[in-house]
Amino acid sequence: RKEVEQDPGPFNVPEGATVAFNCTYSNSASQSFFWYRQDCRKEPKLLMSVYSSGNEDGRFTAQLNRASQYISLLIRDSKLSDSATYLCVVISNSNSGYALNFGKGTSLLVTP
Amino acid sequence: DAGITQSPRHKVTETGTPVTLRCHQTENHRYMYWYRQDPGHGLRLIHYSYGVKDTDKGEVSDGYSVSRSKTEDFLLTLESATSSQTSVYFCAISGAIPSPLHFGNGTRLTVT
Repeated sequence: RKEVEQDPGPFNVPEGATVAFNCTYSNSASQSFFWYRQDCRKEPKLLMSVYSSGNEDGRFTAQLNRASQYISLLIRDSKLSDSATYLCVVISNSNSGYALNFGKGTSLLVTP
Repeated sequence: DAGITQSPRHKVTETGTPVTLRCHQTENHRYMYWYRQDPGHGLRLIHYSYGVKDTDKGEVSDGYSVSRSKTEDFLLTLESATSSQTSVYFCAISGAIPSPLHFGNGTRLTVT
């Protein structure tokens, strides 16, 4: 089983829609979680951290479900400019040190 | 945005030639990473550094070497470039673990 898995999509949604992505992780000892956004031919940029209690930043909400070992990203009122690939990152600690694991990304296309 | 610069931005080289990519940061961050990103594979860690002269291998380190003689610079060298090393290379930095990474804007390398 891969360390971190994401549905590659693409998710095609109309402007104004609400869309949610999940990211599952295999290591129950994982401790830090992040969502990144990557535009075509650009570098990944940190979108938001994911806190245990869930957190919100404008139209974006991130949640962590430790019992089921996944994190989620909810985007409300989608904009055309939200079209991008969304990567999840999970940091785990083990006897051999910290490991950062990236998902392969979920592609979102918001259409007019 | 984190002060991180990659050079060159684009490079075309021939098989068998040596290539060095540079990552320069102005954040005085301890950790520096080199990733490559290819379609279908996502981001894969090549090498990372946890301090001056302290480096370690990632999951796809074969054919690559790194050096870090100063906090601000992390060099990635392809001793003898191969076509399979055609990719987009991203450098990333972080101040601590488990903190999020911040990425440079990438180097697009083509090996002909």
